[in-house]
Amino acid sequence: GAGVSQSPSNKVTEKGKDVELRCDPISGHTALYWYRQSLGQGLEFLIYFQGNSAPDKSGLPSDRFSAERTGGSVSTLTIQRTQQEDSAVYLCASGHPGGRTEAFFGQGTRLTVV
Amino acid sequence: GESVGLHLPTLSVQEGDNSIINCAYSNSASDYFIWYKQESGKGPQFIIDIRSNMDKRQGQRVTVLLNKTVKHLSLQIAATQPGDSAVYFCAEGGRDDKIIFGKGTRLHILP
Repeated sequence: GAGVSQSPSNKVTEKGKDVELRCDPISGHTALYWYRQSLGQGLEFLIYFQGNSAPDKSGLPSDRFSAERTGGSVSTLTIQRTQQEDSAVYLCASGHPGGRTEAFFGQGTRLTVV
Repeated sequence: GESVGLHLPTLSVQEGDNSIINCAYSNSASDYFIWYKQESGKGPQFIIDIRSNMDKRQGQRVTVLLNKTVKHLSLQIAATQPGDSAVYFCAEGGRDDKIIFGKGTRLHILP
């Protein structure tokens, strides 16, 4: 597709289960971001991948959260032992870096932990 | 630490009037500032950005103003239309291209 694609669009999981959220960035974009958005709130930075550089993981809220990006393209955000406070919309964005990044966002994955 | 904040969480504007959405930032080292629009159920969409060495930039019906002295950023929307109803976020980016967002302002258009 032409835009950033995220899957699943909705995910309901039981507390304590692990979940994987997927992001397919726009082809050729070397920058990839993950954000978390709670209801009615702003976007909380989680992690940033830039080409082959080590990712900026400074926004990950706990060691239950991890992300990887395979082959410089698809990224997976994994949340282990989910808690109710993990419920939020998880947004992925990609872009061309270089001093000014116009990040293109996907529709997000709405995660509900019950 | 870095922070980007907004003065007002909700702004109501009459259709046809101009809208001004404000944002305060604290990181004077940011290289550029960005405005995003987020409609209900969608991801944020880029509107306009401005480099830190500029004080004004215009787009189609939108103008962004940057006042580095008081660390203030604003988005002006001319002749507001119903389709402008959304949450608007300001964000800042540095040399590392990490983009940090503020909390957002909801723009409500009155008929």
